[in-house]
Amino acid sequence: AQKVTQAQTEISVVEKEDVTLDCVYETRDTTYYLFWYKQPPSGELVFLIRRNSFDEQNEISGRYSWNFQKSTSSFNFTITASQVVDSAVYFCALRNNYQLIWGAGTKLIIKP
Amino acid sequence: DAGVIQSPRHEVTEMGQEVTLRCKPISGHDYLFWYRQTMMRGLELLIYFNNNVPIDDSGMPEDRFSAKMPNASFSTLKIQPSEPRDSAVYFCASSLVGGSGEPQHFGDGTRLSIL
Repeated sequence: AQKVTQAQTEISVVEKEDVTLDCVYETRDTTYYLFWYKQPPSGELVFLIRRNSFDEQNEISGRYSWNFQKSTSSFNFTITASQVVDSAVYFCALRNNYQLIWGAGTKLIIKP
Repeated sequence: DAGVIQSPRHEVTEMGQEVTLRCKPISGHDYLFWYRQTMMRGLELLIYFNNNVPIDDSGMPEDRFSAKMPNASFSTLKIQPSEPRDSAVYFCASSLVGGSGEPQHFGDGTRLSIL
């Protein structure tokens, strides 16, 4: 069965703190893709990153970084020096052929 | 380049009325997806198209829902008759190739309220 688990329903931190959003997935496929999307309060869904199952290199983009570990079936997302504008719901998703299997999302609140 | 364009952004209508949601995918994208998002069920895939042909509509909740894609640049999702439980945010997304790792790019969504 394909499944994505985001165990953290809501996280609240003070601005400038680092925060990590957890994502654990289940799949029997050897080739798969993982994604992170951001949904700010305005409601749109914004694509952040894609990672394929053959590439376990961590990725950094500005204050954002992603840690992909096949051994633990995890694809965690870290925001360094968080800002109020990072407040949003963040979704992790697993690509199963055409369909995205979505996690429930983690609501991130950054307090000024 | 323009992203996925959905209209209207908001729709409020009375139960029993027909509702039509519209979507213009990103030019050149050959896959189009319709999703529904609610607090209770999260994001649900309703239907998707490849090259204007519906491939899988197993997520369409019931016969009151229908979707069409008459050409590569336009799709509609219709609800007739609408019911209060259809209230949700409806997203359209498009991607280059559905089976690969290409990401789906989403429109801003239509917030639908059925009174």
